[in-house]
Amino acid sequence: QSALTQPPSVSGSPGQSVTISCTGTSIDVGFYDRVSWYQQPPGTAPRLMIYEVINRPSGVPDRFSGSKSGNTASLTISGLQAEDEADYYCTSYTSSSTYVVFGGGTKLTVL
Amino acid sequence: QMQLRESGPGLVKPSETLSLICSVSGGSMTTDYWTWIRQPAGGGLEWIGRVFGRGSTNYNPSLMSRLTMSLDTSTNQFSLKVASVTAADTAVYYCARGYYDTSRLDVWGQGIPVTVS
Repeated sequence: QSALTQPPSVSGSPGQSVTISCTGTSIDVGFYDRVSWYQQPPGTAPRLMIYEVINRPSGVPDRFSGSKSGNTASLTISGLQAEDEADYYCTSYTSSSTYVVFGGGTKLTVL
Repeated sequence: QMQLRESGPGLVKPSETLSLICSVSGGSMTTDYWTWIRQPAGGGLEWIGRVFGRGSTNYNPSLMSRLTMSLDTSTNQFSLKVASVTAADTAVYYCARGYYDTSRLDVWGQGIPVTVS
C-alpha cells in the first residue's frame, strides 16, 4: 500500500484538461512544498515533470502544471495530446524515516 | 548533460546478494544525493535509499537491514547491495540523481531488470 493516494486511472479526449490528485498527510504533502510528479510511458524510465509543487524543469511543456491545497497535491494537464498517455506518479519528501514516499500511480488514457 | 547507467547481473539466486552499479557521466557526484528506486512488473515505484556525495546514507526502513549503498567519486560510480534476496525483490532497478530535502529526481538511468530465481 502506497503512502500517497492517487486515483488508479483518469482519461480525457485530445484538447481537454485532466487533473490527477495525490493525497498524503500532515507529515509529507501537507507539511512540505516538496511534491514532484513523474511521467512514465510504458517500458521507459520515469521523467520529472513537476518539482517543488509548481516548478517545471526545462523542456517540460507549460501544459503541465502543479498545485497543492492542504494534504492534496494535483497535476493538471491541459490541451491533452496523444503523447501524454502514460503512468503518472507523485512523490513527496516526508518527515518520517522513509524520507521520500511515492503514490501508487495513475494511468492516463487519451481517448 | 549528465547521464546515468545501471549495470549488473539480471538474475540472482534466492538468499544471495543483489549487486548493482550506477555509472555517472557528465557531472560531479560530490554535492548531490544518488538514489535507487525499484519497480516490480506492473507495479509502482519504491524508494530504496540514497547515498550522499560525501558518503552518508539514508535507507528505506522496510529494507534497511538488507541494504548497503556506497559511492566512489574517483570512478564516478555508486552501488547498491541487497542481501538475502527473495522473489519479492524481482523488479526493474533505477538509479537517479536527487537532492537534500526534496523528492526531486531529475536524472534517471534507463533501468535494469533483475529477477530473483
